[in-house]
Amino acid sequence: KNQVEQSPQSLIILEGKNCTLQCNYTVSPFSNLRWYKQDTGRGPVSLTIMTFSENTKSNGRYTATLDADTKQSSLHITASQLSDSASYICVVSAGRGSGGYNKLIFGAGTRLAVHP
Amino acid sequence: GAVVSQHPSWVICKSGTSVKIECRSLDFQATTMFWYRQFPKQSLMLMATSNEGSKATYEQGVEKDKFLINHASLTLSTLTVTSAHPEDSSFYICSARWTDPYGYTFGSGTRLTVV
Repeated sequence: KNQVEQSPQSLIILEGKNCTLQCNYTVSPFSNLRWYKQDTGRGPVSLTIMTFSENTKSNGRYTATLDADTKQSSLHITASQLSDSASYICVVSAGRGSGGYNKLIFGAGTRLAVHP
Repeated sequence: GAVVSQHPSWVICKSGTSVKIECRSLDFQATTMFWYRQFPKQSLMLMATSNEGSKATYEQGVEKDKFLINHASLTLSTLTVTSAHPEDSSFYICSARWTDPYGYTFGSGTRLTVV
């Protein structure tokens, strides 16, 4: 069964601190892995997309890693800001279609709260 | 680029009435759009896949007669919740697939409250 599991479920950190969110997946065949940020009451916004051959990808203060062998990914947030408070969703694309046009498997998300 | 506009952002309706939610791709043509439902503190659940000019494909357990999807053009898909009940209250999100091989863009969501 295709599954995406994220940890922790929720996290509180102080402004300026770093944090790392985890994503483990059992998805086959694997196409790509995405991290999204979802603010409360808003749609998800893409942070990074990584294919099988990519180990790391950065987007500003966000850095995602992918270990395709262990089927694990992480999202590292550096120097957190209050605006980073949101849910972070790991999404794995499954299928053999060209590019990323495959079924998306969503994790439950990690709710991050950044406190002053 | 790749902007998806979703309207309304929130709506309150009475039980038994119908509500239409629009999803538009503003700067690209979306041959395929997706409709999701999200309950509080849960992740997105795919309801249906909407292909331009053809019938939508519904996920198991989703009532196609209750959640009517129309994708009449390459830039517009609509979701109509018919005979809404309080249990239909949820956050509905659309997304569209675009020509970038990995391109999925999400709308901003619609908060539906049925009273």
